[in-house]
Amino acid sequence: GAVVSQHPSWVICKSGTSVKIECRSLDFQATTMFWYRQFPKQSLMLMATSNEGSKATYEQGVEKDKFLINHASLTLSTLTVTSAHPEDSSFYICSASPPRAGGLNNEQFFGPGTRLTVL
Amino acid sequence: AQSVTQPDIHITVSEGASLELRCNYSYGATPYLFWYVQSPGQGLQLLLKYFSGDTLVQGIKGFEAEFKRSQSSFNLRKPSVHWSDAAEYFCAVGGATDKLIFGTGTRLQVFP
Repeated sequence: GAVVSQHPSWVICKSGTSVKIECRSLDFQATTMFWYRQFPKQSLMLMATSNEGSKATYEQGVEKDKFLINHASLTLSTLTVTSAHPEDSSFYICSASPPRAGGLNNEQFFGPGTRLTVL
Repeated sequence: AQSVTQPDIHITVSEGASLELRCNYSYGATPYLFWYVQSPGQGLQLLLKYFSGDTLVQGIKGFEAEFKRSQSSFNLRKPSVHWSDAAEYFCAVGGATDKLIFGTGTRLQVFP
């Protein structure tokens, strides 16, 4: 149980185009989903937190208009990189949390990641 | 400020040797602590977590970690490393908001 998928697993696009990455919780409902960015040999940096049916909360320094996040259902969140440039090339990882139980911090279940290369 | 420090960027051990990966955190409230493992090009897999209670936590794949509040540490240990343990290991701290703060990671290399 607790499987999170991402699609596509890798994508190459031309500079100036937009790319959409999907994150799905396959066997549970995710009230909260998170989007991370990871540069080679570096740690994960949280980009934004999305809650189903509401606007995403972006971390400081993350451009809202460039990284559009939609959490339309309890099993799907999408990240759209708009007008992509080579510096947007990175490994994007999503995670999902089921509804909080007892007020405890819930475990995040991570997707396998999407490698984006912008030419 | 909230932060996680993993002092060792790269560790090399022989197969069968014991392992300890260090993690120190700075967090203003009761911390929830996690260790994740990442294989190349893959997402993260949870090894173990600490929320409360017994400070020695058992995880998957034979890993354990000990929460030491006085030292603000949550070190990961394994008594005998297997070649398949070679990967990147991340320590993370979170709180009631569910946001996780990750350390910079420790790359483990295992020699036969």
